[in-house]
Amino acid sequence: GQQVMQIPQYQHVQEGEDFTTYCNSSTTLSNIQWYKQRPGGHPVFLIQLVKSGEVKKQKRLTFQFGEAKKNSSLHITATQTTDVGTYFCAGPRAAGNKLTFGGGTRVLVKP
Amino acid sequence: NAGVTQTPKFRVLKTGQSMTLLCAQDMNHEYMYWYRQDPGMGLRLIHYSVGEGTTAKGEVPDGYNVSRLKKQNFLLGLESAAPSQTSVYFCASKGSGKETQYFGPGTRLLVL
Repeated sequence: GQQVMQIPQYQHVQEGEDFTTYCNSSTTLSNIQWYKQRPGGHPVFLIQLVKSGEVKKQKRLTFQFGEAKKNSSLHITATQTTDVGTYFCAGPRAAGNKLTFGGGTRVLVKP
Repeated sequence: NAGVTQTPKFRVLKTGQSMTLLCAQDMNHEYMYWYRQDPGMGLRLIHYSVGEGTTAKGEVPDGYNVSRLKKQNFLLGLESAAPSQTSVYFCASKGSGKETQYFGPGTRLLVL
């Protein structure tokens, strides 16, 4: 079945530094979504990418969808303590209005 | 607009006990989902519903049952709880023709 993998599983970042987390799907995706879950909270939708090679920015967050629509990345510049949390990517399954979530990248920020 | 709500927030069960988790949404969404979240495992789909009166199995349905008697409510039942069902349970919903899922605050379940 469809698999969505995220690396790294954990990311320790010094405040002010940049980092990137990656998402890879075993199948071609019609779109990819990113969610953020704060510690103790629930996943909250961040963004959806649809087109091959699409790049979208939200303030310090840059999201990219690969040309083959099988991978995606999230780049955060000048990391802040508010960026702490787990970032999930998710891709729709071939049938049935369901999402396959990656295992998430847990981001810890060192002040 | 409360969005998606879940009750209870936290529960401790003994092995073999039963319980029902309630999810309610006020966004008139057609689709509703139950996920479980375990450390390092991401979100795994237990059951889902594509509309009132319908339910379907997800990736990890064993040991759970669901019902969607009303469009706004999606119930998750554990008939005989097992320690392996200790987890955080999230309900989510989405509108027809939309992709984004909206999550509830979660229910933390501990089975002893």
